[in-house]
Amino acid sequence: NAGVMQNPRHLVRRRGQEARLRCSPVKGHSHVYWYRQLPEEGLKFMVYLQKENIIDESGMPKERFSAEFPKEGPSILRIQQVVRGDSAAYFCASSPPPGTSYNEQFFGPGTRLTVL
Amino acid sequence: AQKVTQAQTEISVVEKEDVTLDCVYETRDTTYYLFWYKQPPSGELVFLIRRNSFDEQNEISGRYSWNFQKSTSSFNFTITASQVVDSAVYFCAVDSNYQLIWGAGTKLIIKP
Repeated sequence: NAGVMQNPRHLVRRRGQEARLRCSPVKGHSHVYWYRQLPEEGLKFMVYLQKENIIDESGMPKERFSAEFPKEGPSILRIQQVVRGDSAAYFCASSPPPGTSYNEQFFGPGTRLTVL
Repeated sequence: AQKVTQAQTEISVVEKEDVTLDCVYETRDTTYYLFWYKQPPSGELVFLIRRNSFDEQNEISGRYSWNFQKSTSSFNFTITASQVVDSAVYFCAVDSNYQLIWGAGTKLIIKP
């Protein structure tokens, strides 16, 4: 029973490069959330996705950041032209389709992005 | 606005002491959920507890206990007889619809 998988676990990029972070949800989960944790801070919501649909991207920076959750394959958080301020831990969570009980979010181990 | 305040940025105690981590929250919702997570130095998030706003009973799990006071919007976490392995950053969070709103965390240092 695999939990949420994220890869890579650590990613180093130089300023101006692109970063691609992958998240494979728990099997059967159709909803994915991305959170960012800057150093010494709590997590901040970025985006909520359903397969092939963005439900809420109110926490996403307006530029350079995008997310998708295709019909097949993992969810991808993409950061273009990274800057030093993008250095953070990025956590993905998944949840099953909404039902009658609480829609628990299960967290992955995170991807630590370092921008040189 | 939804908000979680963890006023204690860092707490340091000697092993075997009891320690309480404070959490105060703000929410517009009449029904909500509160959480505590542990983040050890390795960085992953360890789920500790989820509490429904309708359930104000205190909860105990081994050396961990939680005190939920709806009247003061607080959800405090106590570790009894602390151990070095309890050293970590602890986060309190409130569920706002599908978003989890997190506090800034309290770094707990347990000295041998």
